[in-house]
Formats: sequence, structure tokens, C-alpha cells
Amino acid sequence: ILNVEQSPQSLHVQEGDSTNFTCSFPSSNFYALHWYRWETAKSPEALFVMTLNGDEKKKGRISATLNTKEGYSYLYIKGSQPEDSATYLCASSGYSTLTFGKGTMLLVSP
Amino acid sequence: GAVVSQHPSRVICKSGTSVKIECRSLDFQATTMFWYRQFPKKSLMLMATSNEGSKATYEQGVEKDKFLINHASLTLSTLTVTSAHPEDSSFYICSAQKQGSGYTFGSGTRLTVV
Repeated sequence: ILNVEQSPQSLHVQEGDSTNFTCSFPSSNFYALHWYRWETAKSPEALFVMTLNGDEKKKGRISATLNTKEGYSYLYIKGSQPEDSATYLCASSGYSTLTFGKGTMLLVSP
Repeated sequence: GAVVSQHPSRVICKSGTSVKIECRSLDFQATTMFWYRQFPKKSLMLMATSNEGSKATYEQGVEKDKFLINHASLTLSTLTVTSAHPEDSSFYICSAQKQGSGYTFGSGTRLTVV
């Protein structure tokens, strides 16, 4: 893997559904994996920063896992709500710069 | 928390004119700020790293004479798109890193050159 790849590109779920997204990144020269939540016309909001293989982090109904050996991270949202609608970005960082994926656009319908 | 303010949020300019975008860290000092550009359906791409008191570091393929970066203080970095052309129309966003925290982003600037 040469770039940061995210899938799916977009997702439309019903309120209450649980969902997950994937972020794949180059495992060489890896330092940290960042997840952001980005609503239109707002600043991307940092969700998680993970560095260690096997890391799992949780923030309310949102959680994330990290596998640095195989170069992937999953983001899970349990019981999606309409306010979860946003673009979810992941980024891999070396020492100081971030390389972003294209994001997963989530739409949660009431 | 760390807050970064970016403005304008939206600007339309005529071809050949220059546009300045400001990025301010409101509650922390940022020796380094980053400028990104995003074209439709593409990833945020790093354009340059802005260093307080010294020259910016540009990524490969980014024209430094086209995209002037000034980081004159620990709380302000500016990106000036000089002699803008329609192909410069894009979404520009800055970020800064507060020590001990992750990267904090501004809300972005949508530039349209007509």
C-alpha cells in the first residue's frame, strides 16, 4: 500500500444501525494514525490518535482499532444517529506531516 | 482546547488578482503550521509547511512563487495565491499542532477564480 485508502467512499444508513469504515495505510515508516470527523463548513474534529499495534480507543459510541503490522484501522459507530452524519477522515503521520485518505461520507437518516 | 481560525471561508476573485488567506492559532502558539489543498473528490494534499521566522517548506510540485507563505508570528500564518487563475480554484485549509495535542484545523477557504 503506497497511499492512505479509505472505504467505503460513502455510506447511507438508518438511525440506530451500527456501521464501520476501513482505513489502509503504508505500514513502513509509520508513526501515528489519526481519525477526524468533518462536518460541512466546520473544522475537522480530531477523534482519535493511535500509535501502537493493537490500540483500541473509544469515545462515546465511536471506537477505533489499529493494526500497524498489516496497515489498517477500523472506525466503528454503534447505534448511528443523524448527528453522526459527516465525512470521516483518516490520516497516517510520519514525524510531522499527515497523509490523508479521501474520507468516508456517512449519512444517517432518521 | 486548541482552536485555529481561518478566514475568509469563501472568496471569489478575478483571474490575475491575488488572494490572501489567514490562519490563526487562537489559544496557543504554533511554530509550525501546515497548508493543504483539496480538489473535488480528492484527498487533502499537503502544499507546504509554514515555519515561524523562516522560509516555508514546499511539497514537490507546489510553486513557491505562486503560493506565498508568511509566518511572521507564533499565531499567524498567511497563504497568498498570487496572480490567481481558474485552475487555482480549490479548497484550502490550514492546520497547526499544539504541543501535547494532535493537529487542529481551521475551517477552510473555498477559493473560486473567475
